[in-house]
Amino acid sequence: ETGVTQSPTHLIKTRGQQVTLRCSSQSGHNTVSWYQQALGQGPQFIFQYYREEENGRGNFPPRFSGLQFPNYSSELNVNALELDDSALYLCASSYDRRNSPLHFGNGTRLTVT
Amino acid sequence: DQQVKQNSPSLSVQEGRISILNCDYTNSMFDYFLWYKKYPAEGPTFLISISSIKDKNEDGRFTVFLNKSAKHLSLHIVPSQPGDSAVYFCAASVETSGSRLTFGEGTQLTVNP
Repeated sequence: ETGVTQSPTHLIKTRGQQVTLRCSSQSGHNTVSWYQQALGQGPQFIFQYYREEENGRGNFPPRFSGLQFPNYSSELNVNALELDDSALYLCASSYDRRNSPLHFGNGTRLTVT
Repeated sequence: DQQVKQNSPSLSVQEGRISILNCDYTNSMFDYFLWYKKYPAEGPTFLISISSIKDKNEDGRFTVFLNKSAKHLSLHIVPSQPGDSAVYFCAASVETSGSRLTFGEGTQLTVNP
């Protein structure tokens, strides 16, 4: 069973640039969600995708967007990067059934300078 | 508005003793609670969960207690082992919110040999 994999592991971008982070879901999982973890904080929910459509969003501006592909892999796109976007971005996958635990990847560390 | 709070940033215990990690929540709509642990450079790993219809759930050395009237849950680890040293996150969800988890800030547990 292949776990959740994320790429890249680290990334440095300049304020105002755009970034795309990638995630491959665990085999058999059809739901993917993205979280932002700032230093010293718990992960914060960005959004969730199911069957290639966004079906839940946290308190993040529209410049955070995503995609889910037919093979359940996913992308997180962030436009017009700001310094506060520096964080660990975690992808998680799960089954589409109630209280199915999330399985997290190791994250992408984004630094915006 | 921090709906899930872990008031202790850190906890240190001796190997073999009990570790008790605490978590408080404010949203009475939460009906499912989870604990995740996180090692450095890895994503959070699911540990144990509890539904709001129960007040206790046990899995080996790990037991989670839920006190709905106090909006409080705790994770007991007994006996504690050095390999348990990690950051522990409490998380909560609402039945209809899918994979949207609200996390606490985390507690760094250190188990000393």
